[in-house]
Amino acid sequence: NAGVTQTPKFRVLKTGQSMTLLCAQDMNHEYMYWYRQDPGMGLRLIHYSVGEGTTAKGEVPDGYNVSRLKKQNFLLGLESAAPSQTSVYFCASSPFFSYNEQFFGPGTRLTVL
Amino acid sequence: SQQGEEDPQALSIQEGENATMNCSYKTSINNLQWYRQNSGRGLVHLILIRSNEREKHSGRLRVTLDTSKKSSSLLITASRAADTASYFCGSQAGTALIFGKGTTLSVSS
Repeated sequence: NAGVTQTPKFRVLKTGQSMTLLCAQDMNHEYMYWYRQDPGMGLRLIHYSVGEGTTAKGEVPDGYNVSRLKKQNFLLGLESAAPSQTSVYFCASSPFFSYNEQFFGPGTRLTVL
Repeated sequence: SQQGEEDPQALSIQEGENATMNCSYKTSINNLQWYRQNSGRGLVHLILIRSNEREKHSGRLRVTLDTSKKSSSLLITASRAADTASYFCGSQAGTALIFGKGTTLSVSS
C-alpha cells in the first residue's frame, strides 16, 4: 500500500515550457486535490476532484489544468510555465465523504527559470 | 484569501516542555484539522475536531475548538526533539480544506 505518490520529485523548466505532474493513490479515494506551497504562504488549493471525470477550481487555478480520467490518478498540467509557478506541489486524497482527513503525497519541487 | 492563520509563526522550546499553537479562521466550518509537516516532506494528519466538539485528545495532543471565537488551539505535551516540524491548521466548510500559514516548532534537547 503505497498511499499517495507523486511523479516527478523534482523538475526544472524554462519559461514557456509545459509539463504534467502525476498523482496516484491506491486507497480507492473519491476525492483528490492539488495544492501549491510557497514560503510564508502555507498551502493553497489549485484544483480538486470529487470523483472520476470531475474537476473543480480551487483558490489559485489560473495557469493550471487538471484531469481525472481514472479514479486513482489526478494530473496537473502547466501549459506555459512561468517563474511565478516555481513552488512545491502537493497532491492529496480523501475518502468518499470529504469531511475526513486528507492523505498527502511527498511533493514535487518545481523551478521555472 | 486564506481561511486560517496560525499563531505564533515560530516557537522554540526545550524537550519536556509543552507547546501551544493557535489557529483562527474566518467563516463557519464543518471541522478543523491539524497537520504536521517535517522539512521537505508532505503533510501528515494529526487530529480532526468537528464543529460540535469542544475538545479532543490523541496521545500527547490536545485540541480545542471555540466556534464562537472562530479559533482552535493545539497543545503538545512533554515535547520531544522529534516534534520539531511545521504545524498547519486546515478548516473545512465545503469540499476543500483551507490552510493557514503554519507554526514552525523547534524542540531542542
